[in-house]
Amino acid sequence: QSALTQPASVSGSLGQSITISCTGSNTDIGDNDFVSWYQQHAGKAPKLLTYDVSNRPSGVSDRFSGSKSGNTASLTISGLQAEDEADYYCSSYTTITTAFYVFGTGTKVTVL
Amino acid sequence: QIHLVESGGRVVQPGTSLKLSCAASGLTLSTYAVHWVRQAPGKGLEWVAIISYDGRSYYYGDSLRGRVDISRDNSQNTVSLQMISLRPEDTGIYYCATDTQWGSGCLNWGRGTLLTVSS
Repeated sequence: QSALTQPASVSGSLGQSITISCTGSNTDIGDNDFVSWYQQHAGKAPKLLTYDVSNRPSGVSDRFSGSKSGNTASLTISGLQAEDEADYYCSSYTTITTAFYVFGTGTKVTVL
Repeated sequence: QIHLVESGGRVVQPGTSLKLSCAASGLTLSTYAVHWVRQAPGKGLEWVAIISYDGRSYYYGDSLRGRVDISRDNSQNTVSLQMISLRPEDTGIYYCATDTQWGSGCLNWGRGTLLTVSS
């Protein structure tokens, strides 16, 4: 099971909106709605931002929103803040019977 | 306050075996599916394994399949990851995390335990 494909880096200015893409296939993102996004600051454990494509856990800012179209999922961060500078990972359940779950390659977000 | 605590990581030689554990406080682990996720130094997240809340279903990622066994003891509120024939490329931080459902997403994470495989 190959990792989902994300851009290596995305940057934006304070207050701007950015979107991170996550490309999979018809055996993962394209085949179910169990797509999630994580934020990881350096030296810290990942934090769940969205799950089931667009749901946010309690306490996660509504500046983070998830969506999906076909085999591609997206995370949009609106009103970019300095503390949003981190690594972001997508993930998906996969219908390949020998696998189960797969992460994306990761995207470094830089706030200019 | 929900806490997951991983333990068991240490420096081991290639070819050896090791068991990692995940203990929970502040939540009843027996009601959650639990993932193991690892991260090599400077690299991205890699999914390792999942076990259902009752231990009846489990799956493994490609890199450790055949060398790993996930299990749980709901009476002790713990989940374990037994690994054999360890390789240098197994080096990294190993996290346990609870799922929101079954493959839906990893909600609660521990801080991780560091495994180093080196001669």
